[in-house]
Amino acid sequence: EVQLVQSGAEVKKPGESLKISCMGSGYTFTNYWIGWVRQMPGKGLEWMGVIHPVDSDTRYSPSFQGQVTISVDKSIRTAYLQWSSLKASDTAIYYCARLGSSSLAVQYNWFDPWGQGTLVTVSS
Amino acid sequence: QSVLTQPPSASETPGQRVTISCSGSSSSIGSNYVYWYHQVPGTAPKLLIYRNNQRPSGVPDRFSGSKSGTSASLAISGLRSEDEAVYYCAAWDDSLNGVVFGGGTKLTVL
Repeated sequence: EVQLVQSGAEVKKPGESLKISCMGSGYTFTNYWIGWVRQMPGKGLEWMGVIHPVDSDTRYSPSFQGQVTISVDKSIRTAYLQWSSLKASDTAIYYCARLGSSSLAVQYNWFDPWGQGTLVTVSS
Repeated sequence: QSVLTQPPSASETPGQRVTISCSGSSSSIGSNYVYWYHQVPGTAPKLLIYRNNQRPSGVPDRFSGSKSGTSASLAISGLRSEDEAVYYCAAWDDSLNGVVFGGGTKLTVL
């Protein structure tokens, strides 16, 4: 079974750093892009960016470029989403998701499956 | 404000058919495939439709997608109570160089 398992909920203070993770299993990890999606409280889905595990080729949404860092460690089948200085407005659930096709470019692809989500709460 | 426009809510009675619309632009839906996801509150989104009208294995044929010009729609027939969820459309946007989502449509099965 293809599965993405994310790290647990985090509570942080403004200005702190954070790195959350997403581990893939049940498929050839290096064949598929992995992406991140934000869902702020009571709101919809926002595409943050994607990364390819083979060469760490990363594409960011303009809205998130410079705000977060997406990385991957293919040796342990894990993708990461990182902040250097959190803000209260970063409070959200963050989902990782694998792109559905290994042969299609990012713009022709879709998210399937999704991780269970990681709740990040930033509060003083 | 989302780049793709969906009605915030829809409702219908069990057994009936409902359609959810998704409006975009020439750089999004007009030039690219449309995807549909659904999300039961408190759980992660799941893929429902890919490449405009393709169903992943396990998705019943009660769900169908279509696209015309810069708009798309999701139809659900034979509504069941378990179809209650929030439904999101998505597409690549050539101008933004990224995926854009609709704001979501909360479906209530009366």
